[in-house]
Amino acid sequence: QLELTQSPSASASLGASVRLTCTLSSGHSTYAITWHQQQPGRGPRFLMKVDSDGSHTKGDGIPDRFSGSSSGADRFLTISSLQSEDEGDYYCQTWGTGIQVLFGGGTRVTVL
Amino acid sequence: EVQLLESGGTLAQPGGSLRLSCAASGFSFSSHAMTWVRQAPGKGLEWVSTISGSGDTAYYGDSVKGRFAISRDNSKNTLSLQMNSLRADDTAKYYCARGHGGAFFFFDSWGLGTLVTVSS
Repeated sequence: QLELTQSPSASASLGASVRLTCTLSSGHSTYAITWHQQQPGRGPRFLMKVDSDGSHTKGDGIPDRFSGSSSGADRFLTISSLQSEDEGDYYCQTWGTGIQVLFGGGTRVTVL
Repeated sequence: EVQLLESGGTLAQPGGSLRLSCAASGFSFSSHAMTWVRQAPGKGLEWVSTISGSGDTAYYGDSVKGRFAISRDNSKNTLSLQMNSLRADDTAKYYCARGHGGAFFFFDSWGLGTLVTVSS
């Protein structure tokens, strides 16, 4: 069963870094995922695709402060030099055989 | 610049029907698969349906299969979602999203969404 697991919340101080984790279920550690940001009251915004080898493809205009990486079944989104506008919900998403298209439950990021 | 603008969301009765539209601009519409994703109030994102660039292949999530129908008019750069047999748990903001390149399920642009409320 393909599943994505995200921690419900994360926080860090203004100017610091935060790393978000999206974990693929057992047997699916080679899957790519995408990260999407949703600021309060707004639609989602594509950030990047992260492959199992850690390579990532960013969306247009996404600042260098956002980066992606991988380790085993974990896919990471790191936000450096955290800014107030980075507050919001971050969703990972993947797709699998049998037409499974899944989003993780989302991580709410708070800038302290 | 890629722009996706959803419309058609409103208050609907349980058991009723509604048709959503998404007007696309700024890219070659027929070259991209298109998708509907929804978000219930205070909840996360849920994939609803995806259609190929040509319109000849469509996929649906289990919760809407048999009730919703996705379609597109490439001459008008418009994506649609026909929603029938509406239920209270269909209440959500509905977003259209563009597939990246030739990919079906890798979404690289999103609209602002349109709100559907199903209630008597």
